[in-house]
Amino acid sequence: GAGVSQTPSNKVTEKGKYVELRCDPISGHTALYWYRQSLGQGPEFLIYFQGTGAADDSGLPNDRFFAVRPEGSVSTLKIQRTERGDSAVYLCASSLGQGGVETQYFGPGTRLLVL
Amino acid sequence: EDQVTQSPEALRLQEGESSSLNCSYTVSGLRGLFWYRQDPGKGPEFLFTLYSAGEEKEKERLKATLTKKESFLHITAPKPEDSATYLCAVQAPGGTSYGKLTFGQGTILTVHP
Repeated sequence: GAGVSQTPSNKVTEKGKYVELRCDPISGHTALYWYRQSLGQGPEFLIYFQGTGAADDSGLPNDRFFAVRPEGSVSTLKIQRTERGDSAVYLCASSLGQGGVETQYFGPGTRLLVL
Repeated sequence: EDQVTQSPEALRLQEGESSSLNCSYTVSGLRGLFWYRQDPGKGPEFLFTLYSAGEEKEKERLKATLTKKESFLHITAPKPEDSATYLCAVQAPGGTSYGKLTFGQGTILTVHP
Protein backbone atom coordinates (compact mmCIF):
# COMPACT_ATOMS: atom_id res chain seq x y z
CA GLY A 1 0.00 0.00 0.00
CA ALA A 2 0.98 3.61 -0.42
CA GLY A 3 2.91 5.30 2.33
CA VAL A 4 2.85 8.93 3.42
CA SER A 5 3.46 11.25 0.49
CA GLN A 6 4.58 14.88 0.56
CA THR A 7 4.68 17.53 -2.12
CA PRO A 8 6.68 19.27 -3.32
CA SER A 9 9.84 17.30 -2.59
CA ASN A 10 11.87 20.50 -2.83
CA LYS A 11 10.86 24.13 -2.56
CA VAL A 12 13.05 27.17 -3.07
CA THR A 13 11.57 30.54 -2.20
CA GLU A 14 12.65 34.06 -1.43
CA LYS A 15 12.59 35.68 1.99
CA GLY A 16 9.18 37.16 2.70
CA LYS A 17 7.23 34.86 0.39
CA TYR A 18 4.35 32.54 1.34
CA VAL A 19 4.67 28.75 0.95
CA GLU A 20 2.37 25.76 1.29
CA LEU A 21 3.55 22.22 1.93
CA ARG A 22 1.20 19.28 1.42
CA CYS A 23 0.95 15.91 3.15
CA ASP A 24 -1.12 12.87 2.12
CA PRO A 25 -1.26 10.40 5.02
CA ILE A 26 -1.63 6.64 4.82
CA SER A 27 -5.22 5.77 3.96
CA GLY A 28 -7.28 5.18 7.11
CA HIS A 29 -4.88 6.98 9.44
CA THR A 30 -6.73 9.61 11.45
CA ALA A 31 -3.70 11.02 13.29
CA LEU A 32 -1.29 13.27 11.39
CA TYR A 33 1.87 15.00 12.59
CA TRP A 34 4.22 17.67 11.24
CA TYR A 35 7.88 17.84 12.26
CA ARG A 36 10.78 20.05 11.19
CA GLN A 37 14.32 18.72 10.83
CA SER A 38 17.35 20.99 10.62
CA LEU A 39 20.65 19.72 9.29
CA GLY A 40 22.35 17.39 11.74
CA GLN A 41 19.41 17.39 14.16
CA GLY A 42 16.54 15.07 14.95
CA PRO A 43 12.99 15.96 13.92
CA GLU A 44 11.28 18.60 16.06
CA PHE A 45 7.52 18.39 16.69
CA LEU A 46 5.34 21.14 15.22
CA ILE A 47 1.67 20.07 15.32
CA TYR A 48 -0.56 17.03 15.73
CA PHE A 49 -4.03 16.51 14.20
CA GLN A 50 -6.62 13.99 15.31
CA GLY A 51 -9.16 14.01 12.51
CA THR A 52 -9.82 17.56 11.38
CA GLY A 53 -8.79 19.30 14.58
CA ALA A 54 -5.37 20.31 15.84
CA ALA A 55 -5.00 18.40 19.12
CA ASP A 56 -1.61 19.92 19.92
CA ASP A 57 -0.01 22.89 18.13
CA SER A 58 2.50 23.67 20.87
CA GLY A 59 5.48 23.16 18.56
CA LEU A 60 4.59 25.84 16.01
CA PRO A 61 7.39 28.40 16.45
CA ASN A 62 5.32 31.55 15.86
CA ASP A 63 2.16 32.84 14.21
CA ARG A 64 3.72 32.75 10.73
CA PHE A 65 3.17 28.99 10.80
CA PHE A 66 -0.29 27.51 10.37
CA ALA A 67 -1.61 24.07 9.41
CA VAL A 68 -4.99 22.78 8.32
CA ARG A 69 -6.63 19.43 7.70
CA PRO A 70 -10.16 20.36 6.57
CA GLU A 71 -11.46 16.90 5.65
CA GLY A 72 -9.44 14.80 8.04
CA SER A 73 -7.09 13.44 5.40
CA VAL A 74 -4.73 15.72 3.45
CA SER A 75 -2.98 18.40 5.49
CA THR A 76 -1.31 21.62 4.42
CA LEU A 77 1.40 23.43 6.38
CA LYS A 78 1.42 27.12 5.56
CA ILE A 79 4.30 29.49 6.24
CA GLN A 80 3.84 33.23 5.82
CA ARG A 81 6.59 35.82 5.37
CA THR A 82 9.27 33.16 5.17
CA GLU A 83 12.65 33.79 6.80
CA ARG A 84 16.03 32.23 6.07
CA GLY A 85 15.83 30.43 9.43
CA ASP A 86 12.78 28.53 8.17
CA SER A 87 15.03 26.54 5.82
CA ALA A 88 14.79 22.89 6.88
CA VAL A 89 13.22 19.58 5.94
CA TYR A 90 9.54 19.47 6.85
CA LEU A 91 8.41 15.93 7.65
CA CYS A 92 4.88 14.62 7.88
CA ALA A 93 3.88 11.41 9.68
CA SER A 94 0.63 9.55 10.24
CA SER A 95 -0.64 6.88 12.59
CA LEU A 96 -3.88 4.94 13.09
CA GLY A 97 -5.22 7.39 15.69
CA GLN A 98 -6.89 4.73 17.81
CA GLY A 99 -5.14 5.76 21.00
CA GLY A 100 -2.32 4.24 22.98
CA VAL A 101 1.26 4.08 21.78
CA GLU A 102 1.16 4.09 18.00
CA THR A 103 3.86 3.86 15.38
CA GLN A 104 4.22 7.03 13.35
CA TYR A 105 5.06 6.45 9.69
CA PHE A 106 6.98 9.25 8.02
CA GLY A 107 6.91 10.67 4.53
CA PRO A 108 10.04 11.60 2.54
CA GLY A 109 9.86 15.24 3.56
CA THR A 110 9.83 18.59 1.79
CA ARG A 111 13.17 20.36 1.64
CA LEU A 112 12.52 24.09 2.00
CA LEU A 113 15.22 26.59 1.14
CA VAL A 114 14.58 30.27 1.82
CA LEU A 115 16.99 32.54 -0.01
CA GLU B 1 10.37 18.83 29.55
CA ASP B 2 11.18 15.57 27.76
CA GLN B 3 14.83 15.23 26.76
CA VAL B 4 16.61 12.64 24.60
CA THR B 5 20.39 12.47 24.16
CA GLN B 6 22.10 10.07 21.77
CA SER B 7 25.73 9.01 21.77
CA PRO B 8 28.06 8.85 20.04
CA GLU B 9 27.21 11.53 17.46
CA ALA B 10 29.04 9.49 14.83
CA LEU B 11 30.36 5.92 14.74
CA ARG B 12 32.61 4.34 12.14
CA LEU B 13 32.84 0.55 12.07
CA GLN B 14 34.48 -2.06 9.93
CA GLU B 15 32.17 -4.63 8.39
CA GLY B 16 31.58 -7.35 10.99
CA GLU B 17 32.63 -5.15 13.94
CA SER B 18 29.76 -5.23 16.46
CA SER B 19 28.92 -2.18 18.56
CA SER B 20 26.13 -0.33 20.40
CA LEU B 21 24.42 3.04 20.14
CA ASN B 22 23.09 4.75 23.26
CA CYS B 23 19.92 6.76 23.86
CA SER B 24 19.49 8.43 27.27
CA TYR B 25 16.12 9.93 28.07
CA THR B 26 14.36 12.04 30.68
CA VAL B 27 10.58 11.92 30.55
CA SER B 28 7.81 12.08 33.13
CA GLY B 29 6.28 8.67 32.55
CA LEU B 30 7.50 6.86 29.45
CA ARG B 31 4.73 5.64 27.17
CA GLY B 32 7.00 4.30 24.46
CA LEU B 33 10.54 4.57 23.10
CA PHE B 34 11.04 4.36 19.36
CA TRP B 35 14.03 3.65 17.15
CA TYR B 36 14.06 4.86 13.56
CA ARG B 37 16.59 4.59 10.75
CA GLN B 38 17.06 7.52 8.37
CA ASP B 39 18.91 7.33 5.07
CA PRO B 40 20.22 10.54 3.44
CA GLY B 41 17.45 12.50 1.75
CA LYS B 42 14.68 10.27 3.10
CA GLY B 43 12.22 10.26 5.97
CA PRO B 44 12.74 8.20 9.13
CA GLU B 45 11.93 4.49 8.77
CA PHE B 46 10.43 2.72 11.80
CA LEU B 47 12.50 -0.03 13.44
CA PHE B 48 11.27 -0.77 16.99
CA THR B 49 8.97 0.31 19.81
CA LEU B 50 9.88 -0.50 23.42
CA TYR B 51 7.36 0.02 26.21
CA SER B 52 8.92 -0.94 29.54
CA ALA B 53 12.27 -1.54 31.21
CA GLY B 54 13.71 -4.96 30.49
CA GLU B 55 12.07 -5.28 27.11
CA GLU B 56 14.14 -6.37 24.10
CA LYS B 57 13.33 -6.54 20.39
CA GLU B 58 15.34 -7.90 17.48
CA LYS B 59 15.34 -7.48 13.72
CA GLU B 60 18.06 -9.03 11.60
CA ARG B 61 21.38 -7.64 12.90
CA LEU B 62 19.72 -5.13 15.24
CA LYS B 63 18.62 -5.58 18.85
CA ALA B 64 17.07 -2.84 20.95
CA THR B 65 16.99 -2.92 24.75
CA LEU B 66 15.42 -0.60 27.34
CA THR B 67 16.19 0.36 30.94
CA LYS B 68 14.54 3.03 33.10
CA LYS B 69 16.99 5.68 31.91
CA GLU B 70 18.34 4.58 28.54
CA SER B 71 18.01 2.38 25.50
CA PHE B 72 20.69 0.65 23.49
CA LEU B 73 20.67 -0.34 19.84
CA HIS B 74 23.09 -3.24 19.44
CA ILE B 75 24.39 -3.93 15.94
CA THR B 76 25.86 -7.40 15.42
CA ALA B 77 28.26 -8.03 12.51
CA PRO B 78 27.18 -4.90 10.62
CA LYS B 79 27.24 -4.62 6.84
CA PRO B 80 27.81 -1.50 4.71
CA GLU B 81 24.06 -1.35 4.02
CA ASP B 82 23.49 -0.69 7.75
CA SER B 83 25.10 2.72 7.26
CA ALA B 84 22.49 5.38 8.15
CA THR B 85 21.49 7.81 10.88
CA TYR B 86 19.73 6.08 13.76
CA LEU B 87 17.19 8.17 15.66
CA CYS B 88 15.72 7.54 19.09
CA ALA B 89 12.45 9.15 20.22
CA VAL B 90 10.18 9.08 23.26
CA GLN B 91 6.44 9.58 23.45
CA ALA B 92 4.93 12.01 25.94
CA PRO B 93 2.67 10.68 28.69
CA GLY B 94 -0.57 12.20 27.47
CA GLY B 95 -2.82 15.22 27.79
CA THR B 96 -2.43 17.77 25.02
CA SER B 97 0.95 16.30 24.08
CA TYR B 98 -0.50 12.89 23.30
CA GLY B 99 1.18 11.50 20.19
CA LYS B 100 4.09 13.95 20.15
CA LEU B 101 7.52 12.36 19.72
CA THR B 102 10.65 13.97 21.17
CA PHE B 103 13.72 12.95 19.18
CA GLY B 104 17.41 12.81 19.95
CA GLN B 105 19.89 14.31 17.50
CA GLY B 106 20.76 10.92 16.02
CA THR B 107 23.87 8.78 15.62
CA ILE B 108 25.46 8.66 12.18
CA LEU B 109 26.68 5.11 11.58
CA THR B 110 29.17 4.35 8.80
CA VAL B 111 30.16 0.75 8.11
CA HIS B 112 33.21 0.27 5.92
CA PRO B 113 33.63 -2.89 3.80
